[in-house]
Amino acid sequence: EVQLVESGGGLVKPGGCLRLSCAASGLTFSNAWMSWVRQAPGKGLEWVGRIKSKTEGGTMDYAAPVKGRFTISRDDLKNMMYLQMNSLKTEDTGVYYCATGTGRSDLDDWGRGTLVTVSS
Amino acid sequence: DIVMTQSPDSLSVSLGGRATINCKSGQSVLFNSNNKNYLAWYQQKPGQPPKLLIYWASTRESGVPDRFSGSGSGTDFTLTISSLQAEDVAVYYCQQYYSAPLTFGGGTKVEIK
Repeated sequence: EVQLVESGGGLVKPGGCLRLSCAASGLTFSNAWMSWVRQAPGKGLEWVGRIKSKTEGGTMDYAAPVKGRFTISRDDLKNMMYLQMNSLKTEDTGVYYCATGTGRSDLDDWGRGTLVTVSS
Repeated sequence: DIVMTQSPDSLSVSLGGRATINCKSGQSVLFNSNNKNYLAWYQQKPGQPPKLLIYWASTRESGVPDRFSGSGSGTDFTLTISSLQAEDVAVYYCQQYYSAPLTFGGGTKVEIK
């Protein structure tokens, strides 16, 4: 069974930074494409970005609102994915989910999320 | 970017009734080389993460009741709940994974009438 556990959320001031982590188990992590998806309070789902497996280039794709501010990375030895968030804005507030695709959709399995609040 | 448009925004259905949710993509999400539609449906209950229901537009995820079905191809898709149960109250999202950025529809809230 795939398990994804996010951590690192919290309260941060506008312009600040935060690093989220996603711990994965129950899958061959090195082969997995991993994504971050966020949800603002009371709103819908917004894909943030993804990192491909190293065997498929290890490249990252980002949504336009976060490109240049957020960076996704992975550590295949630790089965971990990270989201470095810089220059945070109030509109970045929300629950951040880690998700992975294992051959069905790109977002087959999801963690429970971690809350990020950007406020002065 | 592929824009995903869902309708309606919300619907109320009697217990045992049929719920139909529509999703339209701004361009085709059918990959010709494998004849697969890169379209998924998710269910999200309050306080929970989304749960994958349907992938490849019509393939039910393991463990999902057969009252849930997906149909459509190209740019027009439908999620049908054939006999609504109390536990189906949730928000439903369509999502394309044909190309990055992955994009979601705005969601449809399903309630009991």
